[in-house]
Amino acid sequence: GQNIDQPTEMTATEGAIVQINCTYQTSGFNGLFWYQQHAGEAPTFLSYNVLDGLEEKGRFSSFLSRSKGYSYLLLKELQMKDSASYLCAVMNTGFQKLVFGTGTRLLVSP
Amino acid sequence: EAQVTQNPRYLITVTGKKLTVTCSQNMNHEYMSWYRQDPGLGLRQIYYSMNVEVTDKGDVPEGYKVSRKEKRNFPLILESPSPNQTSLYFCASSSGFGGANVLTFGAGSRLTVL
Repeated sequence: GQNIDQPTEMTATEGAIVQINCTYQTSGFNGLFWYQQHAGEAPTFLSYNVLDGLEEKGRFSSFLSRSKGYSYLLLKELQMKDSASYLCAVMNTGFQKLVFGTGTRLLVSP
Repeated sequence: EAQVTQNPRYLITVTGKKLTVTCSQNMNHEYMSWYRQDPGLGLRQIYYSMNVEVTDKGDVPEGYKVSRKEKRNFPLILESPSPNQTSLYFCASSSGFGGANVLTFGAGSRLTVL
């Protein structure tokens, strides 16, 4: 089976940096995705990692360590609009599914 | 505009009354999937389809049916809805499955079963 863990909730201040962690246990690993979901809206794609290392995309970066079953999403220069849930999802090609974690709700305060 | 369209967006119904949530995508995507999202449980896959006439169960298929007669459409059918199917439902699609294929999600359908 698969197991994905991420913190339930985090708070941070506007302009700060926050790191959202995700640990996973799976077989047939074929990549890890991060999605952003504002309350009541559809998830939207943020990043994809399949190799170890850091992928940077503007204010957002995502890191993967396959040997440790660990990823993090780093958000810099936080803005109020970054208040949302962040979903970690692991792709398992063998089972033809993308399994989502329960999400981390981030609250950015002024 | 490339999108996944779900209807209805909101529905209140009663136990046992059959309903269908439609999903249509205009991106010629091969892969389509239905998820339900419940507080504390995250997104859970109900059914998925790798291509036309090819469907398979996800993690929580009980009480649901799907069909994929055309590439663009992937309706979710609740033959006899029950209160435990009250949830937020998302349809999603991608050009393929595996690798960096990114899921595009519909806006969601909030279903309440009384």
